[in-house]
Amino acid sequence: DTAVSQTPKYLVTQMGNDKSIKCEQNLGHDTMYWYKQDSKKFLKIMFSYNNKELIINETVPNRFSPKSPDKAHLNLHINSLELGDSAVYFCASSQWGFEAGELFFGEGSRLTVL
Amino acid sequence: AQTVTQSQPEMSVQEAETVTLSCTYDTSESDYYLFWYKQPPSRQMILVIRQEAYKQQNATENRFSVNFQKAAKSFSLKISDSQLGDAAMYFCAYRITYKYIFGTGTRLKVLA
Repeated sequence: DTAVSQTPKYLVTQMGNDKSIKCEQNLGHDTMYWYKQDSKKFLKIMFSYNNKELIINETVPNRFSPKSPDKAHLNLHINSLELGDSAVYFCASSQWGFEAGELFFGEGSRLTVL
Repeated sequence: AQTVTQSQPEMSVQEAETVTLSCTYDTSESDYYLFWYKQPPSRQMILVIRQEAYKQQNATENRFSVNFQKAAKSFSLKISDSQLGDAAMYFCAYRITYKYIFGTGTRLKVLA
């Protein structure tokens, strides 16, 4: 049973198109995240949600719209794709609280914009 | 601003030898958590080790150990008896409220 699963694993699309990535976690965690890993492997947080509420939006363009229907799901929709959006997008989850909850990652979704 | 710095973009180690990866961070908080993650070519992110800042004792996990120097804001990872399977990108991370900040990564090559 995969703890954090995201689909699809690979997307190839043209500039200007819209695409979505879905994410689900079965760990019972209350916080979910989207991270972007660029071609230089730099990992940058995009969004974090706690109990379905948006907590952090790291100056991400409005073309990116996350949605959390419940605390086990966090989806990412991207409008009007640009070349610079090509990256690996990781969904992750953790349990927030006093203890050092580690971040559990999905396998990543590689987006290629042509 | 909270930042995490990994000054070694790439390191090499002979199989069975020991290597240390550096990480420094900047924070004004007193209670926080630090992590090392490994990313092999499969791109899956795997937790290697974690350290709570309020604990003075350095964390260890089998062949992996850390040297946590709170005053110096330093958190290095030591890998003993390196194995071919240790070849990967290694990321240092620091946890603050509702986000984890990652360093730029160190690519570790293990030479047979």
